[in-house]
Amino acid sequence: GDSVTQMEGPVTLSEEAFLTINCTYTATGYPSLFWYVQYPGEGLQLLLKATKADDKGSNKGFEATYRKETTSFHLEKGSVQVSDSAVYFCALRMDFGNEKLTFGTGTRLTIIP
Amino acid sequence: ETGVTQTPRHLVMGMTNKKSLKCEQHLGHNAMYWYKQSAKKPLELMFVYNFKEQTENNSVPSRFSPECPNSSHLFLHLHTLQPEDSALYLCASSHQRQGGTDTQYFGPGTRLTVL
Repeated sequence: GDSVTQMEGPVTLSEEAFLTINCTYTATGYPSLFWYVQYPGEGLQLLLKATKADDKGSNKGFEATYRKETTSFHLEKGSVQVSDSAVYFCALRMDFGNEKLTFGTGTRLTIIP
Repeated sequence: ETGVTQTPRHLVMGMTNKKSLKCEQHLGHNAMYWYKQSAKKPLELMFVYNFKEQTENNSVPSRFSPECPNSSHLFLHLHTLQPEDSALYLCASSHQRQGGTDTQYFGPGTRLTVL
């Protein structure tokens, strides 16, 4: 079946460091890909998405590029802030008409001043 | 700011208790979802409702019973739960239209502890 694999956390970085959180997927077709973020005590919020190969999703300084050849959707940010501390989830959805999201296990990110 | 609210935010219950979780969305969506978030495991989709009709039940034990009286409200009725059911239960909603489904919006979750 479809699955998403994320790098194990927790990840701890200093403020202004470069961030990469790896995400790879397994799917029988060409899914839409998503990054969700969960801040402490809150629900998941959509951070960015990409619906086809080579698309780049971006939001709040975060970027991820849909790489079909490597089945990856790595999350990057050039300079992280303390306020970026959260849990990040990679997810896929197979068909645009299919509402089912398949999530990775999440990666906890802590940014220290 | 979320348009999906969940109550209660925290719940502790014994294995013989009966309780209900409530979700309300203020976004005009027509699809609602229950997810279970356990430590070190991916989010698990439990139930999906489209236009108040249940369209998916992901092999969820019968001790979890969903109810969707209208497109804005979703309940999860709990009875005779087990300690391994302790988790964060997340509700989400989205707009289902012809040709596809838009982004899911999540509530803050209910932290459930079963003693």
